[in-house]
Amino acid sequence: EVQLVESGGGLVQPGGSLRLSCEASGFPFSSYAMSWVRQAPGKGLEWVSIISGNGLSTDYADSVKGRVTISRDNSKNTLYLQMNSLRVDDTAVYYCGKSMTTFITSRRENWFDPWGQGTLVTVSS
Amino acid sequence: DIVMTQSPDSLAVSLGERATINCKSSQNILYGSNNGNYLAWYQQKPGQPPKLLFYWASTRESGVPDRFSGSGSGTDFTLTISSLQAEDVAVYYCQQYYTTPITFGQGTRLEIK
Repeated sequence: EVQLVESGGGLVQPGGSLRLSCEASGFPFSSYAMSWVRQAPGKGLEWVSIISGNGLSTDYADSVKGRVTISRDNSKNTLYLQMNSLRVDDTAVYYCGKSMTTFITSRRENWFDPWGQGTLVTVSS
Repeated sequence: DIVMTQSPDSLAVSLGERATINCKSSQNILYGSNNGNYLAWYQQKPGQPPKLLFYWASTRESGVPDRFSGSGSGTDFTLTISSLQAEDVAVYYCQQYYTTPITFGQGTRLEIK
């Protein structure tokens, strides 16, 4: 069974840092691109970042560019999201999602299935 | 960026009746080389992560009931539930994967009338 389990969320003050993890199982992790998608309380879905299967290519939403770094350790089947300079509007449930392709360039099979259960990040003083 | 706009924002339909949700992209997301529409649909129930329903606009994910159908091409897409069941109450999202930034519609909340 394909499974994604996020961890690392919590309460952090504005300007603080947090690292999220997503542990994958049930599929050849290094063969698939992975993404982070967030959902602010009561709001819709916002794509945050994507990384290719080999970890060499990444892309980010403008809202987080320069403050967030996506990475992966294929030997540990784990995806990461390092978040710095956190703002109140970064408060959200953060989901990891598996793509259907290893690539992140345009016109690739980057829909998400499955998604993890999510981890809540709360930025507040 | 490609903007995805869903309509309506919320919808109340009687059990057994048809529900229709629309999704419009600000740019064409049909790629001529493979005739593929780079659009997915998700269902999200309260307290749960999104669940994939369709990709390539109309390819139903395994396990999704056949009362659900996806259609459309280019910039205009539709998710239809032919006979609404109580378990279909959820928020539905469309997503384009034609290019980054990957973008979602704002969501359509489906309720029972």
